[in-house]
Amino acid sequence: DSGVTQTPKHLITATGQRVTLRCSPRSGDLSVYWYQQSLDQGLQFLIQYYNGEERAKGNILERFSAQQFPDLHSELNLSSLELGDSALYFCASSVSPDSTYEQYFGPGTRLTVT
Amino acid sequence: EDKVVQSPLSLVVHEGDTVTLNCSYEVTNFRSLLWYKQEKKAPTFLFMLTSSGIEKKSGRLSSILDKKELFSILNITATQTGDSAVYLCAPVQPLGKLIFGQGTTLQVKP
Repeated sequence: DSGVTQTPKHLITATGQRVTLRCSPRSGDLSVYWYQQSLDQGLQFLIQYYNGEERAKGNILERFSAQQFPDLHSELNLSSLELGDSALYFCASSVSPDSTYEQYFGPGTRLTVT
Repeated sequence: EDKVVQSPLSLVVHEGDTVTLNCSYEVTNFRSLLWYKQEKKAPTFLFMLTSSGIEKKSGRLSSILDKKELFSILNITATQTGDSAVYLCAPVQPLGKLIFGQGTTLQVKP
């Protein structure tokens, strides 16, 4: 158990809908990262927050957005869902936003869009 | 374009064998490299490598980085069935952005 929690574990929804994925980082970690893992694309970095502020963006679609709250938990919002958005979404956390600290991954949320 | 290539893509060995997993990378603003083990769900952290030539060890696992030749290897000695997993390498860019390779699937047979 990495100490990073994610809810829900599974989510099944229809195309065009909107969902929110939630992540709580490890105690003491200020930085949160979101990743998408699909069969054809592998694990891809989406976005990073540090202490409430967006710090880095990867291949995140405009239909997706995220935020980090004062209690440091983070939410990833996915809207106008398409079949291709079906994937495992991981959250990871680290102490610092730079490259000198390892990232610990949560158990993931499996999103199925039908 | 940033590129991370792991080889082999898959590997089947028997318990007790030693395996070497490779990771080559071409990544801008490289800072460090992480190795993860992914079984059924979340990747679990194995190693962080920041300096060339310094081997990191944890039990039967070890790893080393070569920043001149742009590669890293992960060795597993005396493999066990519990080592069966996907092994992912991830070079790290500034701000902790990880670029993952496609992974090596290791199957250890009894």
